[in-house]
Amino acid sequence: GENVEQHPSTLSVQEGDSAVIKCTYSDSASNYFPWYKQELGKGPQLIIDIRSNVGEKKDQRIAVTLNKTAKHFSLHITETQPEDSAVYFCAAARSGAGSYQLTFGKGTKLSVIP
Amino acid sequence: EPEVTQTPSHQVTQMGQEVILRCVPISNHLYFYWYRQILGQKVEFLVSFYNNEISEKSEIFDDQFSVERPDGSNFTLKIRSTKLEDSAMYFCASRGTAQETQYFGPGTRLLVL
Repeated sequence: GENVEQHPSTLSVQEGDSAVIKCTYSDSASNYFPWYKQELGKGPQLIIDIRSNVGEKKDQRIAVTLNKTAKHFSLHITETQPEDSAVYFCAAARSGAGSYQLTFGKGTKLSVIP
Repeated sequence: EPEVTQTPSHQVTQMGQEVILRCVPISNHLYFYWYRQILGQKVEFLVSFYNNEISEKSEIFDDQFSVERPDGSNFTLKIRSTKLEDSAMYFCASRGTAQETQYFGPGTRLLVL
């Protein structure tokens, strides 16, 4: 089955700096890669996703890049703000086959220091 | 904005007891999921449900687990005889047709004593 590795497990940045979180996946058939933000006591909330036919996607301060050959994808947050502090999860799924079950990474706790 | 809701938010039970966790998916969604997150660990897939039947399940989803859509709005996860290791946060998620995004509920924290 799919295995997703995520690094780092914790990340502290100064407000205004950039944050980068990296994930690798094992199943070359995976073609959908969402990123979720989880705040304390809440469920995961989708912040951005990317499909394997795209190399990069950007939404304001958030961007995701995908390298299919190397089987890794990354989340980039620019101009970080204190409200970006949360746990971020990457995930992988095979769309178009089966149920789209998500395989998650272990999460990255991001702390933005004011 | 439509959202997935879950009840209860917290449940404490004794080992061996049955629990039912409830979810109300987003109204026009047809694909439903349960995931769990043991404290400090990754979110793990349990089961997916479509057209009133299980479409996929993980190794975790053994005979003590069952899911049901008892009416047009609710989606439930039943654990027949809880074990200590069932203590976790359980998340329900739903997905619309021709969409890939799964929307998660706030979770039910289950503590088995």
